[in-house]
Amino acid sequence: AQRVTQPEKLLSVFKGAPVELKCNYSYSGSPELFWYVQYSRQRLQLLLRHISRESIKGFTADLNKGETSFHLKKPFAQEEDSAMYYCALLSWGGKLIFGQGTELSVKP
Amino acid sequence: SAVISQKPSRDICQRGTSLTIQCQVDSQVTMMFWYRQQPGQSLTLIATANQGSEATYESGFVIDKFPISRPNLTFSTLTVSNMSPEDSSIYLCSVEFQGTYNEQFFGPGTRLTVL
Repeated sequence: AQRVTQPEKLLSVFKGAPVELKCNYSYSGSPELFWYVQYSRQRLQLLLRHISRESIKGFTADLNKGETSFHLKKPFAQEEDSAMYYCALLSWGGKLIFGQGTELSVKP
Repeated sequence: SAVISQKPSRDICQRGTSLTIQCQVDSQVTMMFWYRQQPGQSLTLIATANQGSEATYESGFVIDKFPISRPNLTFSTLTVSNMSPEDSSIYLCSVEFQGTYNEQFFGPGTRLTVL
């Protein structure tokens, strides 16, 4: 079965601390994975995707096929990073399968 | 960048009634999807809206309950029929543009409360 698991519902860190939001997936083929972010009162938007291998707003995510993971990392969290983060897996037909989401709270 | 709008942005409805949600994009898209986000839950795909043909529904969602139209490449509607309080959710449309390679862009959502 195709599935995305985000084990942490809430992650709270202090400003300047490293952040890692966990994402594990279950997929039989070659996965394509995304991180979406929703800031307060804003719509859901794409943060990054594994095929582009780029860093957005200081965030990176590496696909680890051995561990079936796609964790999102940032070395130094900022208060403006506080948001809801969703890991998503591309399924057939262009559909996205979303994880449960992790709320990141960065405290001053 | 393209603008994706949804109407209404929110509504409070009575049990047993129906509500039609509109999704409008200001440029042509290849794919349009409808998602539901129940309170405290993640996004779940309801269906893929196909232009000029019947929508493709996900397991657990049926056309009688969630009829969808997509008359052209920039517009789609989702109707929530015979509503019950369990239908209280945020309903989102998302679109994919040609050349963006599976990147989906989301509308602002419609917050529905059923009393």
